Amino acid sequence: SQQGEEDPQALSIQEGENATMNCSYKTSINNLQWYRQNSGRGLVHLILIRSNEREKHSGRLRVTLDTSKKSSSLLITASRAADTASYFCATVFTPYDKVIFGPGTSLSVIP
Amino acid sequence: DTGVSQDPRHKITKRGQNVTFRCDPISEHNRLYWYRQTLGQGPEFLTYFQNEAQLEKSRLLSDRFSAERPKGSFSTLEIQRTEQGDSAMYLCASSLKVTEQFFGPGTRLTVL
Repeated sequence: SQQGEEDPQALSIQEGENATMNCSYKTSINNLQWYRQNSGRGLVHLILIRSNEREKHSGRLRVTLDTSKKSSSLLITASRAADTASYFCATVFTPYDKVIFGPGTSLSVIP
Repeated sequence: DTGVSQDPRHKITKRGQNVTFRCDPISEHNRLYWYRQTLGQGPEFLTYFQNEAQLEKSRLLSDRFSAERPKGSFSTLEIQRTEQGDSAMYLCASSLKVTEQFFGPGTRLTVL
């Protein structure tokens, strides 16, 4: 089974609202990454958080990591229509730095 | 354009035929990953190279699938005796150390 699981599977919000997506995983990780994929396009890296970090920010993105609960969350503030995409968490775990993606959250931001 | 290229972008083949895909990573990246993605799903890990060494291989990579990365540069993924269930987008990504991955545009395979 896949390492990461996102929640919710789909999310629809109004432009300007915040969007929160969660990711849970099962085993110890080296780091956790979030990616975005627009419909029919390639994946784009958003942010990486290491296992010894608890929170990171990048522009309108905020990522938290709770290793005790084996979970992470991605918060997008002040959402825009252009944020409409699928968001995936990817967990990287040793020993060979294998990367496993979750099934993703489909975010729709309504103008 | 991330700097990772894949060829071909689209491949239509008949069941039972062999296909080969190529990935050219960012030149200084020592890590190269292959994934398979179907509609509505996340990328599914297939295999991973560090330089020319294949370090990890998914159980999904049956004996019909093989990947190589000669000289630690470009990589090829071959599927022998294709089946309709092999229809998917095949993604390649490269990275330097354990950092962000840069994905190519993918090769969409359709098996008739």
